[in-house]
Amino acid sequence: EAGVAQSPRYKIIEKRQSVAFWCNPISGHATLYWYQQILGQGPKLLIQFQNNGVVDDSQLPKDRFSAERLKGVDSTLKIQPAKLEDSAVYLCASSLRGISDTEAFFGLGTRLKVV
Amino acid sequence: KNEVEQSPQNLTAQEGEFITINCSYSVGISALHWLQQHPGGGIVSLFMLSSGKKKHGRLIATINIQEKHSSLHITASHPRDSAVYICAVRERGGADGLTFGKGTHLIIQP
Repeated sequence: EAGVAQSPRYKIIEKRQSVAFWCNPISGHATLYWYQQILGQGPKLLIQFQNNGVVDDSQLPKDRFSAERLKGVDSTLKIQPAKLEDSAVYLCASSLRGISDTEAFFGLGTRLKVV
Repeated sequence: KNEVEQSPQNLTAQEGEFITINCSYSVGISALHWLQQHPGGGIVSLFMLSSGKKKHGRLIATINIQEKHSSLHITASHPRDSAVYICAVRERGGADGLTFGKGTHLIIQP
């Protein structure tokens, strides 16, 4: 079974530039999550999708971050414009249903450095 | 909002030692997850608990709902167990997203 795929693995951009990350969840998984993990901290949920609808985006900085999951499969997370404090690993995870009753599977993450 | 605290933050031990990592949280939960993160790698889910105890190979996870506390134990530790171990909780009645602890950085020396 293929895992959660994310790309790119690494990205370096200058502040005020824009960047996009892509996630392909495990086939058939209805729920998709984007997490931000700043160095030395645990991951923080940015947004949760159930199929192509948003369930929770309360911690997403909507002035600069956006995410979509068209057709309820792949998802993209965009930052525009990027700030230095956005340097982090961005993790995508998926689960068959909600994470409360099923195991979550994580991708390898995209490591972003904003200079 | 739940506060998830892990201890210790860093742990270095010799191969073969029994390892315990602790997690405490502040608000009632419906599930607790133990996750493993290797350097440069993604996160792997080890256990999902809502009560009692689970065992998988050399890993044991326990949870005490009344005390709002969980422990992850590793028996006969091995250098390949070196990783960051993260505790994450889902609040009772909350959205599905997890609240994560900062992780415990474990190094097992040969």
